[in-house]
Amino acid sequence: EVQLVESGGGLVQPGGSLRLSCAASGFTLSSYCMTWVRQAPGKGLEWVASIKQDESERYYVDSVKGRFTISRDNAENSLYLQMNSLRAEDTAVYYCARLGTGDDSAYRHFDYWGQGTLVTVSS
Amino acid sequence: DIVMTQSPDSLAVSLGERATINCKSSQSVLYNSNKKNYLGWYQQKPGQPPKLLIYWASTRESGVPDRFSGSGSGTDFTLTISSLQAEDVAVYYCQQYYSIPLTFGGGTKVEIK
Repeated sequence: EVQLVESGGGLVQPGGSLRLSCAASGFTLSSYCMTWVRQAPGKGLEWVASIKQDESERYYVDSVKGRFTISRDNAENSLYLQMNSLRAEDTAVYYCARLGTGDDSAYRHFDYWGQGTLVTVSS
Repeated sequence: DIVMTQSPDSLAVSLGERATINCKSSQSVLYNSNKKNYLGWYQQKPGQPPKLLIYWASTRESGVPDRFSGSGSGTDFTLTISSLQAEDVAVYYCQQYYSIPLTFGGGTKVEIK
């Protein structure tokens, strides 16, 4: 059974940093592109970042470029999101998700999602 | 960026009746080389993560009931629930994965009338 479990969320002050983790199981992480999607309280879904299997390519939404870094450790079956210079508008539930099809394209639907971890940026 | 516009924002449908959700993209998401529409539909119930229902605009994900269907091409797409069940109460999102940034529609809330 495919499982994705996020951790690392919490309360952080504006300007602070946080590192989210996503533990993957039930499939071979190294075979799939992965992604982070966020959802502000009571709002819709926003794609944040994606990464190819070998980290050769990473993609970001403009609002987080230069502040967030997506990475992965296939040997540890883990996906990460390093978030720096956090702002109030980054407050959201952050989901990790797997890209469907298992090829090396970042242009795919998201077939499995974790339960999410809440990040609150506030003083 | 490709803007995804869903309509309506919400709808109330009687049990057993049809629910139709529309999604329009600001530019075509049809990739000519493989004739695939890079469009997916997700269902999100309260307190839960989104769940993939449909991909490539009309391919139903494994395990999704056949009352859910997707149609459309280019810039105009539809998600249809042929006979609404109580467990279908949720917010539904369309998403384009044709170009980065990947973008979602604003969501359509489906309720029971």
